[in-house]
Amino acid sequence: EAQVTQNPRYLITVTGKKLTVTCSQNMNHEYMSWYRQDPGLGLRQIYYSMNVEVTDKGDVPEGYKVSRKEKRNFPLILESPSPNQTSLYFCASSLASPHPTGELFFGEGSRLTVL
Amino acid sequence: GQNIDQPTEMTATEGAIVQINCTYQTSGFNGLFWYQQHAGEAPTFLSYNVLDGLEEKGRFSSFLSRSKGYSYLLLKELQMKDSASYLCALRDDKLIFGTGTRLQVFP
Repeated sequence: EAQVTQNPRYLITVTGKKLTVTCSQNMNHEYMSWYRQDPGLGLRQIYYSMNVEVTDKGDVPEGYKVSRKEKRNFPLILESPSPNQTSLYFCASSLASPHPTGELFFGEGSRLTVL
Repeated sequence: GQNIDQPTEMTATEGAIVQINCTYQTSGFNGLFWYQQHAGEAPTFLSYNVLDGLEEKGRFSSFLSRSKGYSYLLLKELQMKDSASYLCALRDDKLIFGTGTRLQVFP
């Protein structure tokens, strides 16, 4: 089954404790992206990647890091989480930058709470 | 830069037709998309318009006017399961999402 898998789905952590949210897709997609979703602000792009070893900042990259060492994986790293990073995070992928039909495939989301 | 406007909330009755509008301002344009998102779930792709006109997919249709910076999503024969948020998304060199319209369908 074609899918984007994120882990963990839910996480409560404390300020300053490094964490990684993993994202993996099995569709051989070149393009992958991370979004955060907050009430009243919609989906905002954090980072994206056009292909292996190619990453770029989105609209809200501060406090986050990413890597793309393999085509299927695109982890999101919070080196020193702060309460303002409490949010719902989505990983998404598509065939190209993005696919001309616009079909982004989303993971199920990771709800992160930073105390 | 880009700016996307959608109504925050709408309500409708089961079996009815509802139109969700999206207006935008952008310096570049390569397509406009609509996604559906049920509460607590991931967005799912509904439609894509790059040329002016109407695209129909079953009960859902999407319209685009590039000259007016305007799109709408039309939902016909509303069902309770259509209660969700509907996100308008604009593509120039990347995909920018509007804040979404929360639609509630009542019996």
